[in-house]
Amino acid sequence: GAGVSQSPRYKVAKRGQDVALRCDPISGHVSLFWYQQALGQGPEFLTYFQNEAQLDKSGLPSDRFFAERPEGSVSTLKIQRTQQEDSAVYLCASSWAALYNEQFFGPGTRLTVL
Amino acid sequence: AQKITQTQPGMFVQEKEAVTLDCTYDTSDQSYGLFWYKQPSSGEMIFLIYQGSYDEQNATEGRYSLNFQKARKSANLVISASQLGDSAMYFCAMREGGGSNYKLTFGKGTLLTVNP
Repeated sequence: GAGVSQSPRYKVAKRGQDVALRCDPISGHVSLFWYQQALGQGPEFLTYFQNEAQLDKSGLPSDRFFAERPEGSVSTLKIQRTQQEDSAVYLCASSWAALYNEQFFGPGTRLTVL
Repeated sequence: AQKITQTQPGMFVQEKEAVTLDCTYDTSDQSYGLFWYKQPSSGEMIFLIYQGSYDEQNATEGRYSLNFQKARKSANLVISASQLGDSAMYFCAMREGGGSNYKLTFGKGTLLTVNP
């Protein structure tokens, strides 16, 4: 596809369940970012990959959050033992390079934890 | 302190009129970048415009322009000739520092409604 895609678009989980959110960046994009957007807020940075290397995970809220990009393309954000406060939209973005001005965002995955 | 402040939770504008969305920022860095993104109800963030701290001229992209006032630390977005399709959330964001800093810090957004 031409843009960043994310799946699933919607995910409902029971508290305590593990979830995995997928991001397919634009082909050839080196940089990949994950953001968390709570209801009524702007996105907040979670983590950054350059190719397969996770260079920054300072925004991950707890050790229940884990992200990977093993082959430098598709990325997965995993949340273990989900809590209600994890409910948010998770946005993935990619760009040619980290400092390239434009980050291209996907449509997001809306996670609801019951 | 908030790094990005958007004081207008909601704005209304008549179709074909111009509208200004406010953004102020807080940084001690000399080198930084300011961004505006549009988020329609579909959820996807769409890049609109970028202004570098050292850029002497205000950025423009089609109907979008950024009114950059460095001394006031403001970076307001001006949309000219509003269209119904402009109805969306608008976020101001900043990337601080030069070098390898890549993180974007977003404001809380302004919901723009364009009336016919």
